[in-house]
Amino acid sequence: AQTVTQSQPEMSVQEAETVTLSCTYDTSENNYYLFWYKQPPSRQMILVIRQEAYKQQNATENRFSVNFQKAAKSFSLKISDSQLGDTAMYFCAFGSNTGKLIFGQGTTLQVKP
Amino acid sequence: KAGVTQTPRYLIKTRGQQVTLSCSPISGHRSVSWYQQTPGQGLQFLFEYFSETQRNKGNFPGRFSGRQFSNSRSEMNVSTLELGDSALYLCASSVDRGFSYNEQFFGPGTRLTVL
Repeated sequence: AQTVTQSQPEMSVQEAETVTLSCTYDTSENNYYLFWYKQPPSRQMILVIRQEAYKQQNATENRFSVNFQKAAKSFSLKISDSQLGDTAMYFCAFGSNTGKLIFGQGTTLQVKP
Repeated sequence: KAGVTQTPRYLIKTRGQQVTLSCSPISGHRSVSWYQQTPGQGLQFLFEYFSETQRNKGNFPGRFSGRQFSNSRSEMNVSTLELGDSALYLCASSVDRGFSYNEQFFGPGTRLTVL
């Protein structure tokens, strides 16, 4: 069975600085997808960034980028130039072709002015 | 295009009652997945529906059930409610049958409180 682990329950960062959220996973599958979702206090979950396991190049979306280490089963999220609106809970998730997402426990990120 | 909608947004029930939650996916989306979110267990997959058929089911007791209609709208039902069923129930829709590379769009959730 697949598992996703986020070892940082809470993190904080000063506005405009860079922060990295960690995620590790375990799977025996070779084809899968990894995601970072953001859940602000309003609760609407939105996709931040996605990585296909077969792609070696790390995904990037504006200020958000990932460091995908397939052999180490590690998938960290880097947020550059942090903004107050980045304050949220961030979930790392694993998906394959089973139609479900397996989520980590989440990391609460506080961006301080 | 309207997003995923869930009704009701808040619900208070007592132990032993049953409840039905509704989810309307984004227009054109045929896959609907349901998740339970609690502080202790985090986000857990309940089930996924595609074309009115349950394609995948999580590790939840039989009190949790669901269905999908021909217009892709989905409902989930919880019978004989227990205190531990208090949670945020999230619905997500995607274009295809839930292959995860088709982005899952989440609704705002229904907050269920069982007293």
